[in-house]
Amino acid sequence: QKEVEQDPGPLSVPEGAIVSLNCTYSNSAFQYFMWYRQYSRKGPELLMYTYSSGNKEDGRFTAQVDKSSKYISLFIRDSQPSDSATYLCAMSVWSGNTPLVFGKGTRLSVIA
Amino acid sequence: GAGVSQSPSNKVTEKGKDVELRCDPISGHTALYWYRQSLGQGLEFLIYFQGNSAPDKSGLPSDRFSAERTGGSVSTLTIQRTQQEDSAVYLCASSHGTAGVTSYEQYFGPGTRLTVT
Repeated sequence: QKEVEQDPGPLSVPEGAIVSLNCTYSNSAFQYFMWYRQYSRKGPELLMYTYSSGNKEDGRFTAQVDKSSKYISLFIRDSQPSDSATYLCAMSVWSGNTPLVFGKGTRLSVIA
Repeated sequence: GAGVSQSPSNKVTEKGKDVELRCDPISGHTALYWYRQSLGQGLEFLIYFQGNSAPDKSGLPSDRFSAERTGGSVSTLTIQRTQQEDSAVYLCASSHGTAGVTSYEQYFGPGTRLTVT
């Protein structure tokens, strides 16, 4: 079992839909949780960063962490075609300079 | 400002040949990471450099892989005697590495797409 599990999709939704992306993990020591967005032929870019359990909102994006269930989510409201990308969850035990453990990524297509 | 750059963007090589991949991190970033992104495997950590400390090589898959970082800046990832299973996108990231949570954000380059035939 990999440390971080993420459904690779692909996921296809109509423009304006609410998108839910999820990851589960097995290492209870993870405390820092990130979502990266990766467009085709580009490197990943940080979208959301959350410490421990709880919610964090940034515009149309909401990140949720449930440490008791070892489950994290990213919600995208009013999805746009420009949101079409691969979304990768990542996590680490501490906040310092440390390699991240990534999920495989979920490929999302938002259809106009 | 300039982001992380990597070269070449694409590399096709024959099985058994050696390849070198280059990463130029963001100026002033003390931490540098190499990851590999394979179809179906996601991003896997390879090696991590922090300042002048000994690198964390715990993610290197075999002794055919090595990396160095000269002068605390540019890094080169070398794969010797390449195999078909080495085909992947090799991503480099750098981070600032000073106090403050957001300073630990890893900024990724566009990657080098390696194809071993």
